[in-house]
Amino acid sequence: KQEVTQIPAALSVPEGENLVLNCSFTDSAIYNLQWFRQDPGKGLTSLLLIQSSQREQTSGRLNASLDKSSGRSTLYIAASQPGDSATYLCAVDDYKLSFGAGTTVTVRA
Amino acid sequence: EAQVTQNPRYLITVTGKKLTVTCSQNMNHEYMSWYRQDPGLGLRQIYYSMNVEVTDKGDVPEGYKVSRKEKRNFPLILESPSPNQTSLYFCASSPPGQGGQPQHFGDGTRLSIL
Repeated sequence: KQEVTQIPAALSVPEGENLVLNCSFTDSAIYNLQWFRQDPGKGLTSLLLIQSSQREQTSGRLNASLDKSSGRSTLYIAASQPGDSATYLCAVDDYKLSFGAGTTVTVRA
Repeated sequence: EAQVTQNPRYLITVTGKKLTVTCSQNMNHEYMSWYRQDPGLGLRQIYYSMNVEVTDKGDVPEGYKVSRKEKRNFPLILESPSPNQTSLYFCASSPPGQGGQPQHFGDGTRLSIL
């Protein structure tokens, strides 16, 4: 059974600092890995999807890397802003999505 | 606008009173699924559907039923709700095919079973 772990559970940084969020998974036989953002009282918004054959994916200030062999993915958010405050979830797709518990990010103005 | 719509958004009800949470998507997606989100446990899949009339259990199906009679709709049914089903529920959809398709989520339904 796939186990997905996100560390740290919470993170607080001053505005402008780069964010590094970690995700690890136990079974490397995956189709893809997705990073989501969840705002309080809202659903999940897909940020980036990395297919199993890819090493990284970029969108604006966001960059996600994938190392299948070590079972790890990292989400980098450059030059953080208060609007980046949210919970970030990673999900591994190995015929169904398995989610980590998330990292709650607070960016202080 | 492409979206997944859940109703109701909030519901407080009592043990044993049957309820249905509706989910509808307007993207012609084949794949739909239901998740529940609980503090410390993250999101767990309840049921999923690969297409019309094709449904299967996820990780935590006990106490729930689903049906998929039309492609756009995937209701979640709690025949006899119990307090341990108090949770935040999400419906999601995506096109078919493994590997390259991000899932789209609804805004969630917060259920409280007293």
